[in-house]
Amino acid sequence: SAVISQKPSRDICQRGTSLTIQCQVDSQVTMMFWYRQQPGQSLTLIATANQGSEATYESGFVIDKFPISRPNLTFSTLTVSNMSPEDSSIYLCSVIRQGTEQFFGPGTRLTVL
Amino acid sequence: AQSVSQHNHHVILSEAASLELGCNYSYGGTVNLFWYVQYPGQHLQLLLKYFSGDPLVKGIKGFEAEFIKSKFSFNLRKPSVQWSDTAEYFCAVNVQAAGNKLTFGGGTRVLVKP
Repeated sequence: SAVISQKPSRDICQRGTSLTIQCQVDSQVTMMFWYRQQPGQSLTLIATANQGSEATYESGFVIDKFPISRPNLTFSTLTVSNMSPEDSSIYLCSVIRQGTEQFFGPGTRLTVL
Repeated sequence: AQSVSQHNHHVILSEAASLELGCNYSYGGTVNLFWYVQYPGQHLQLLLKYFSGDPLVKGIKGFEAEFIKSKFSFNLRKPSVQWSDTAEYFCAVNVQAAGNKLTFGGGTRVLVKP
């Protein structure tokens, strides 16, 4: 398994502000992903965080709204920019280990007022 | 694009009852299949996975799932549930040609009454 930590674990933010979420893994991994879990819904992939290059975004998600950094093989950040109440969600990072098995972080619960 | 459907949104059952959660996916190519569980207040954990081989897969905590390719299904089962199985269960599909991205079903909330 992988030990994945996220900071912050939760936050309450005002609309129009931005929040950066950190994801730290206990060892180097090739692939890291960011997901969103809106209230009462399933997980939706936001983007694949690529080390040394721009993230690959899924349909409906754009870099201006969700900029992602991946400076090395153990760390990534996701920023939720210019937040609105619709951005209230749990944001999770995940990593690939042992082929195609994904492990998930504990999530960051974001509430936007 | 592929999609994943979970038939039941909520399931309520008593301890010792049998559990079966349905999962169907839409994609004609080669897929890897997963069931994840999220216990109250905890993060997602992998219950079991299917990549290839025996279509009947055994996972942790007495869970198993059967891959039926002709039906595009990967149903989760447990013969006798416990109160501690109360959780939300997610089916997920990874299309091998799409670079390890997971597509999740809508989830099924299971409540086991003691």
